[in-house]
Amino acid sequence: RKEVEQDPGPFNVPEGATVAFNCTYSNSASQSFFWYRQDCRKEPKLLMSVYSSGNEDGRFTAQLNRASQYISLLIRDSKLSDSATYLCVVTQGGSEKLVFGKGTKLTVNP
Amino acid sequence: NAGVTQTPKFRILKIGQSMTLQCAQDMNHNYMYWYRQDPGMGLKLIYYSVGAGITDKGEVPNGYNVSRSTTEDFPLRLELAAPSQTSVYFCASSELQGGNTEAFFGQGTRLTVV
Repeated sequence: RKEVEQDPGPFNVPEGATVAFNCTYSNSASQSFFWYRQDCRKEPKLLMSVYSSGNEDGRFTAQLNRASQYISLLIRDSKLSDSATYLCVVTQGGSEKLVFGKGTKLTVNP
Repeated sequence: NAGVTQTPKFRILKIGQSMTLQCAQDMNHNYMYWYRQDPGMGLKLIYYSVGAGITDKGEVPNGYNVSRSTTEDFPLRLELAAPSQTSVYFCASSELQGGNTEAFFGQGTRLTVV
């Protein structure tokens, strides 16, 4: 089983849609969780950290379920500018080393 | 506010040539990473380092070497370039701060081997 697995995608949604991405991780000792965003031909950048209680940043909501080793990202009211690849990232159990998922590509259409 | 700096941004190599991709960070981070990303694909970890003097292989280390003589610098060496090494290379650094670990990436080096 891969350390971090994401929905394969791609996701194509109309503007205004709500879209959800899922991610599972294999190591129960992982402590930190993140969603990164990567635009075409650019470097990945942090979108948001994921906290145990769940957290929201504007139209973005992240959830963590430690029991199921599952992370999600919900985007409400999608904008054209949300088109990007979304990467699920966790720290390797017992260390600070970051492990990246392969990413899920989102295209928001007018 | 430099963050992670990679050089060069672009390079064309001939088969069999060698080169070093430079990466420097000014955030005093212990962890540094080298990834490659082929078109339309995810990041693949080549090598990483948990601190000066310590390096370890990632999932695709063959054909590459690294060194970490200082906290700031983490160069990636290609000894005998092959067309299969045509890719975009990203360097990143990270550090645990306040219970959180965020990675910062360089802008990437686009390498073509012909």
